[in-house]
Amino acid sequence: QQQVKQSPQSLIVQKGGISIINCAYENTAFDYFPWYQQFPGKGPALLIAIRPDVSEKKEGRFTISFNKSAKQFSLHIMDSQPGDSATYFCAASPLSGYSTLTFGKGTMLLVSP
Amino acid sequence: ETGVTQSPTHLIKTRGQQVTLRCSSQSGHNTVSWYQQALGQGPQFIFQYYREEENGRGNFPPRFSGLQFPNYSSELNVNALELDDSALYLCASSALLGGEETQYFGPGTRLLVL
Repeated sequence: QQQVKQSPQSLIVQKGGISIINCAYENTAFDYFPWYQQFPGKGPALLIAIRPDVSEKKEGRFTISFNKSAKQFSLHIMDSQPGDSATYFCAASPLSGYSTLTFGKGTMLLVSP
Repeated sequence: ETGVTQSPTHLIKTRGQQVTLRCSSQSGHNTVSWYQQALGQGPQFIFQYYREEENGRGNFPPRFSGLQFPNYSSELNVNALELDDSALYLCASSALLGGEETQYFGPGTRLLVL
């Protein structure tokens, strides 16, 4: 049972463009939604995270949009750069004390120069 | 860099063997989680340890076991290795601060089972 569905599987964006990755979840107990960035040969690194009490969170060029009623959230990368080329994972967890992350399958982003 | 280290970086084993993977948590973190990441997939939760006790377990068989030590370092043991166990094994350390928990991942151990 895949509790977090992520799309697209891969994405090619021109330098300076906007990259958009979408995720949908099923478990209404989820209330913490982080995005991780992973480069080849490295572990995932936390990029940005959101709780459902806000609809949007922005950190630099990265923005999370959250739609609680639709159980969907998305990552927007503004002014995409070649250095952003990586695999991006959305995740979700219940924020009740110590929790575990349920990940999407990942989106491989390539930003062309 | 997250401060989470894992060893070894790569490992090759044959089917039926046993393997032990190690993780050193980020300083001050008393919780460690282990994940399995198959090629082209997202990480899947194996189990979590908090103050040396198993605190939760994912859908993995008992041949996957773990330990957490008083210094919060951790081990993942896998017995009777199967070909499908070939994956990147990630550990993540975390601490609950002010109601928020963030998991910081190590670089992983790449296990190949032949």
